[in-house]
Amino acid sequence: QVQLVQSGAEVKKPGASVKVSCKASGYTFTGYYMHWVRQAPGQGLEWMGWINPNSGGTVYAQKFQGRVTMTRDTSISTAYMELSRLRSDDSAVYYCARDADHLGYFDYWGQGTLVTASS
Amino acid sequence: DIVMTQSPDSLAVSLGERATINCKSSQSVLYSSNNKNYLSWYQQKPGQPPKLLIYWASTRESGVPDRFSGSGSGTDFTLTISSLQAEDVAVYSCQQYYSTPYTFGQGTKLEIK
Repeated sequence: QVQLVQSGAEVKKPGASVKVSCKASGYTFTGYYMHWVRQAPGQGLEWMGWINPNSGGTVYAQKFQGRVTMTRDTSISTAYMELSRLRSDDSAVYYCARDADHLGYFDYWGQGTLVTASS
Repeated sequence: DIVMTQSPDSLAVSLGERATINCKSSQSVLYSSNNKNYLSWYQQKPGQPPKLLIYWASTRESGVPDRFSGSGSGTDFTLTISSLQAEDVAVYSCQQYYSTPYTFGQGTKLEIK
């Protein structure tokens, strides 16, 4: 069965960077784009971008351009999202989500990783 | 960016009754070349990730009960739960995947009356 398992909660100081991992299993990792979506406390969902695990190609939301980097390691079927220059309003649950058909809707989600940016 | 606006923000419905949630996009998400609406619906229970319910505005994901249905085209969409069950208490969000950045509605909180 398809599973996306994310790394654990992180607490970072403002200005620092955080790197979240998402390990995929139960399907061919390189066959499906992986997206990252975040959700601030009590707020709606916000799309950050995607990575093509096959080519490594990425598309980022303009809001995060210059601060976000999405990478992957195909040898261990794992995608990564690194967000730099953290601010307090980056505190949120970060999800990885598999793209169902290279189209932009998401059929499987990771359990979420809480990132807290606080001094 | 396409702005997605849901109504209402919250909704209380009696068990067994119909629940209707609306979603409006700031521009059409209907792709004329294939006549498909690039609109999906998700259910999110507290402490859990979202779960895909509907894509292409009206196609139910495998395993989703048939009391859930989606309708609409262009800029106006509706998620309907025909007979509310206790396990349907959740936040429901629409999402457009017509163009990047993909955007979500603010969510509608569904409760039991």
